[in-house]
Amino acid sequence: GENVEQHPSTLSVQEGDSAVIKCTYSDSASNYFPWYKQELGKGPQLIIDIRSNVGEKKDQRIAVTLNKTAKHFSLHITETQPEDSAVYFCAASIHGNQFYFGTGTSLTVIP
Amino acid sequence: GAVVSQHPSRVICKSGTSVKIECRSLDFQATTMFWYRQFPKQSLMLMATSNEGSKATYEQGVEKDKFLINHASLTLSTLTVTSAHPEDSSFYICSARGRGVYEQFFGPGTRLTVL
Repeated sequence: GENVEQHPSTLSVQEGDSAVIKCTYSDSASNYFPWYKQELGKGPQLIIDIRSNVGEKKDQRIAVTLNKTAKHFSLHITETQPEDSAVYFCAASIHGNQFYFGTGTSLTVIP
Repeated sequence: GAVVSQHPSRVICKSGTSVKIECRSLDFQATTMFWYRQFPKQSLMLMATSNEGSKATYEQGVEKDKFLINHASLTLSTLTVTSAHPEDSSFYICSARGRGVYEQFFGPGTRLTVL
């Protein structure tokens, strides 16, 4: 089955700096890669996703890149703000079926 | 759009009792709903997948007689934890997916504490 690894497990950045979280996957059949933000005590919120037919997608301060050959994808947050502090999860899926989640990255943005 | 609600948000029950958690898609029809369990500082663990009108498919190691899932309509799925024990205490989260789309939208979660 699919195996998704996520790094780093914790990340601290100064407000205004950029944050990058990386994930690798093992199943070359995976074609859908969402990113979720989870605040303490709440459910995960979809923040951006990418399908395997594109290499990059951007939404304001958030971007995701995908390298199908190397089987890795990354989340980029620019101009970080304290409200970006949360746990971020990546996931891989085939056609939106079972999601295989990474282990999460706890991001802290220091004011 | 794509709002999923869960009720209750938190519940405390005595050991041996049953607890029902509701998951509703408020503004779309959810042909598939997923139930996850999450322990503190850990990732989401898929418990089961349910398609409207069909029996749920449980992941390996999840007791189907203990965690009863019903997906009776395109907007409602329920998870019933039967004969709950302290080790069932956890954060339970549902997600929903519409027809023909890949995205899963998550509910806010239910914190279950079994005394």
